[in-house]
Amino acid sequence: AQSVTQLDSQVPVFEEAPVELRCNYSSSVSVYLFWYVQYPNQGLQLLLKYLSGSTLVESINGFEAEFNKSQTSFHLRKPSVHISDTAEYFCAVSDSELTGGGNKLTFGTGTQLKVEL
Amino acid sequence: KAGVTQTPRYLIKTRGQQVTLSCSPISGHRSVSWYQQTPGQGLQFLFEYFSETQRNKGNFPGRFSGRQFSNSRSEMNVSTLELGDSALYLCASSLEGVSSTDTQYFGPGTRLTVL
Repeated sequence: AQSVTQLDSQVPVFEEAPVELRCNYSSSVSVYLFWYVQYPNQGLQLLLKYLSGSTLVESINGFEAEFNKSQTSFHLRKPSVHISDTAEYFCAVSDSELTGGGNKLTFGTGTQLKVEL
Repeated sequence: KAGVTQTPRYLIKTRGQQVTLSCSPISGHRSVSWYQQTPGQGLQFLFEYFSETQRNKGNFPGRFSGRQFSNSRSEMNVSTLELGDSALYLCASSLEGVSSTDTQYFGPGTRLTVL
């Protein structure tokens, strides 16, 4: 079984300040890691994902996340946030060895990022 | 390409009734997954369909069921509704879903309220 912990339910930050959203996971097998963003009244959008290779992955809108296997973490960071980044962010994992293949994401409880002027 | 569409967007039912939600995946996508989102439990995986077969299943009671049609459209059904079934139900599609490396694209969800 897998689990994802997002310790911070809310993170307030001023515009142009840096931010880090924390994500830790627990799994007995190798996993793939994802960050999704959800804007109000919308579905989830994939922000970035780690499958293999370089442990640092980046999104097109300035977010990055680093996979740390020893600490079982996949924290999301942005050096300078914008008002439009206000949303809920979800960390998720999936079993890379899922019998029969397919999709089955396990999500964290989400972190509400609120960017203030 | 059009995104994942879900109908209806909002639904109000009473306890004991049943409900059917519909999901149309992105054209060419063959894998459809369903998730339940509630304030208390967060996002939880319900099931996944691929080529009209349920391939993966979460830990939900048998009242929750689904199916997929030959055109990859999917429906989920909840029978004997309970108050706790009030949630946002999200559908996601991906190309093949052979492994979780396929990106899943989510629809806007169906907001179900059970009175």
